[in-house]
Amino acid sequence: QKEVEQNSGPLSVPEGAIASLNCTYSDRVSQSFFWYRQYSGKSPELIMSIYSNGDKEDGRFTAQLNKASQYVSLLIRDSQPSDSATYLCAVKSGAGGTSYGKLTFGQGTILTVHP
Amino acid sequence: NAGVTQTPKFRILKIGQSMTLQCAQDMNHNYMYWYRQDPGMGLKLIYYSVGAGITDKGEVPNGYNVSRSTTEYFPLRLELAAPSQTSVYFCASSPQAGKSTNTGELFFGEGSRLTVL
Repeated sequence: QKEVEQNSGPLSVPEGAIASLNCTYSDRVSQSFFWYRQYSGKSPELIMSIYSNGDKEDGRFTAQLNKASQYVSLLIRDSQPSDSATYLCAVKSGAGGTSYGKLTFGQGTILTVHP
Repeated sequence: NAGVTQTPKFRILKIGQSMTLQCAQDMNHNYMYWYRQDPGMGLKLIYYSVGAGITDKGEVPNGYNVSRSTTEYFPLRLELAAPSQTSVYFCASSPQAGKSTNTGELFFGEGSRLTVL
């Protein structure tokens, strides 16, 4: 069974600090990796995607991927109280035509940014 | 553009009752999915569909059924509701693999919160 593991937290950081969220996955043929943010009572929304080893930056968010270690991370710089949410790591295994877009989700990390 | 629309948003069922969660998308996406999310947990795939008339089981299909007669609609049927089916249900869609619009992103509906008592 393909698994995606995250620390459930909660992770608490002060405003302005860097929040670091981690995720490991078990399926070595995984091709695509995503970070979704989910506010309480809302649906998940995509904030970052990453497909190759290394770093990918988008504003205050940086996704990092290490396929050899089967590890994905998300860094949030200059954390704001509005970043307080659950962050879900999601993995798509197999080539695009065989996975049919199915994502396997981790259990999510609760992030709290306090003023 | 409505995206993915789910109804109802909230529902309370008694044990043994049946109901259908409705899902519609207006983005002409081939792929559609039903996930459930239990408190403090991630999303688990129940069923998915790659196009009209084609459905397949996900990770947790027991107690559910689906159909996909058109591209737009993908209802989820609960037969003989059990307390273990108390959860939040999310319908999602994505473009077919290989299409230029496919980034791997799933587009989610707002969710349907179901309680079975």
